Amino acid sequence: AQSVAQPEDQVNVAEGNPLTVKCTYSVSGNPYLFWYVQYPNRGLQFLLKYITGDNLVKGSYGFEAEFNKSQTSFHLKKPSALVSDSALYFCALTGANNLFFGTGTRLTVIP
Amino acid sequence: DGGITQSPKYLFRKEGQNVTLSCEQNLNHDAMYWYRQDPGQGLRLIYYSQIVNDFQKGDIAEGYSVSREKKESFPLTVTSAQKNPTAFYLCASSIGAGFEQFFGPGTRLTVL
Repeated sequence: AQSVAQPEDQVNVAEGNPLTVKCTYSVSGNPYLFWYVQYPNRGLQFLLKYITGDNLVKGSYGFEAEFNKSQTSFHLKKPSALVSDSALYFCALTGANNLFFGTGTRLTVIP
Repeated sequence: DGGITQSPKYLFRKEGQNVTLSCEQNLNHDAMYWYRQDPGQGLRLIYYSQIVNDFQKGDIAEGYSVSREKKESFPLTVTSAQKNPTAFYLCASSIGAGFEQFFGPGTRLTVL
């Protein structure tokens, strides 16, 4: 069965520090993985995706994600956090007909 | 949110009433989806449609109904059979199954 897990409900990081939001997945076969961000009372915005190729994927707003097949992980990273990065982040895995979403991680960047 | 519109942004309903949430896209996408979002539970799939005049139940379809008469439109009706309809509803579309989805701004439904 396919599934996505985001082990941390909340991540706090100081402005200017690197940030990591964790995601692990379970799937048979090769995964297609996505990261989305949601600001309060808004829809989800697509950040980046991994289909195949380089394990380090670059996306919008300076975010990147590292695909690690042996650890079945797809962690979201940014070298220097901004206060405006504070939001809810979702990892997603493609299924036959739709995406499977994690439960989300709330990122708070502290000034 | 570009390309997908949802209306209204806020909706209030009395118990026992049916309400319809609108979702329109101009991205020429074949697939459309409806999700429900509750605090701490992420997104749960209600219905999806891969093509016009066809749709499938998702994980939590009970108490909801949809139609897909046009490629651009995928309205969701929340019926009185839905026991706890207060939630944030998100519509999305994609070029096909398994591709990244693009989301509308959402409709917040409150049952009074």
